Amino acid sequence: LAKTTQPISMDSYEGQEVNITCSHNNIATNDYITWYQQFPSQGPRFIIQGYKTKVTNEVASLFIPADRKSSTLSLPRVSLSDTAVYYCLVGAANSGYALNFGKGTSLLVTP
Amino acid sequence: DTAVSQTPKYLVTQMGNDKSIKCEQNLGHDTMYWYKQDSKKFLKIMFSYNNKELIINETVPNRFSPKSPDKAHLNLHINSLELGDSAVYFCASSPSDRAHYEQYFGPGTRLTVT
Repeated sequence: LAKTTQPISMDSYEGQEVNITCSHNNIATNDYITWYQQFPSQGPRFIIQGYKTKVTNEVASLFIPADRKSSTLSLPRVSLSDTAVYYCLVGAANSGYALNFGKGTSLLVTP
Repeated sequence: DTAVSQTPKYLVTQMGNDKSIKCEQNLGHDTMYWYKQDSKKFLKIMFSYNNKELIINETVPNRFSPKSPDKAHLNLHINSLELGDSAVYFCASSPSDRAHYEQYFGPGTRLTVT
């Protein structure tokens, strides 16, 4: 079962690009990589999902190298409102392990 | 209209009491979940129901009992509350029980046991 490792915290200034990398060395062939965002006192919110290469939506981009052992969430030109916790999940089959969000990466954006 | 709603939002109670948290989703999803987020911010799956059937039951004390009267509702009943049960409990739903489907979370219920 794929286990994920991501930094505990990151700091950034407004307007910068932020890249959060998640390691998942044991990713399985049918596993997807999903990222969620959680603001204080709110439930997590889906940001982006990918299987390979690159995925982009209006919020973020997700870069996945060919070996899929890691992935990078890229937030372009962050603002103060991007201060949140970001979770990386890997899984496809229905298992409790695949649904453990862990502690995530706490991103602090300052002026 | 709120997609996933939980009641109550805050719950303060004493040790030994029994309490329930209710969850409703109006998204027409087949799968619903309960998560626990402790003071260290770990967010862990507790239960998952698909079409009213229990499909995930993680290592949770049997004082916790989920009940799904229909696909749109998943309630969480907790017996003999303990101090360690203090946490924020999130309900979520998704279109499928496959883990990679997008989950929609409720606002959370902050449970404080004194």
